[in-house]
Amino acid sequence: GAVVSQHPSRVICKSGTSVKIECRSLDFQATTMFWYRQFPKQSLMLMATSNEGSKATYEQGVEKDKFLINHASLTLSTLTVTSAHPEDSSFYICSAQTSPQTQYFGPGTRLLVL
Amino acid sequence: SQKIEQNSEALNIQEGKTATLTCNYTNYSPAYLQWYRQDPGRGPVFLLLIRENEKEKRKERLKVTFDTTLKQSLFHITASQPADSATYLCALDYNTGGFKTIFGAGTRLFVKA
Repeated sequence: GAVVSQHPSRVICKSGTSVKIECRSLDFQATTMFWYRQFPKQSLMLMATSNEGSKATYEQGVEKDKFLINHASLTLSTLTVTSAHPEDSSFYICSAQTSPQTQYFGPGTRLLVL
Repeated sequence: SQKIEQNSEALNIQEGKTATLTCNYTNYSPAYLQWYRQDPGRGPVFLLLIRENEKEKRKERLKVTFDTTLKQSLFHITASQPADSATYLCALDYNTGGFKTIFGAGTRLFVKA
C-alpha cells in the first residue's frame, strides 16, 4: 500500500529557532500533499494544501510567513516552522493524496518548543 | 456553523462484542464520508469510505452506515479484539469548488480481554 514518511518523528527546539519537517511519499507520486496539526484530544486541523510546483494554499488563520511550505517534487513536501514559540508545540501530520477521495497519512512529527 | 460530532467519551466494551461509534454532522452536504483509525502518537490510517448515495459499506469485521437524512454515520466493529483499541476518526469530504476534508475529534475505543 501507499506509504508516507515524516522526518523527524519528534523534535525539541528553543523558542525563536526554525524547524523543518519533511513529508515523503515513498512508493507513489503525489501532486497534492496536506499539512495538519493536532492538539491533544482534538481533531486534525488542516493548515495548508501543498501542490507540487506551485504555492501552497493556506487555511484561514494560518500564517503563511510562519509556516513555510515547499513542495519541490512529486514525492517531497516540507513544512518549516519559523521563529517557533511554545504555542507552536503540537503534533504535525502530513498526508499525500492519490485520488480526490484518498489520503495517506504520515506517522506525524511531535514538536516541542521550549 | 459547520460541525462534526463524535462522542468524546471513551467507549469501553468486552472482547467479542460489537463496538458501535457514532458520527453526526450539521450543515454539510458531504460527497462522501471516511473513517480512520489513529493510534496514540501516530498518523491516521484509512479504513473505509462511503459515498452519499450508499447506505452501507463493509470490509471484513467493519461496517459503516451513512444516513444523509439523519446526517449520521455509524461505524461498527464486530467480534471486537483488544487490538482494535484505538481512536476512530470520522471525516467528511465536501465540494467547495475543490474537495475539502473535515475531521471529527474522534472517539477512543477500549476493548477489554
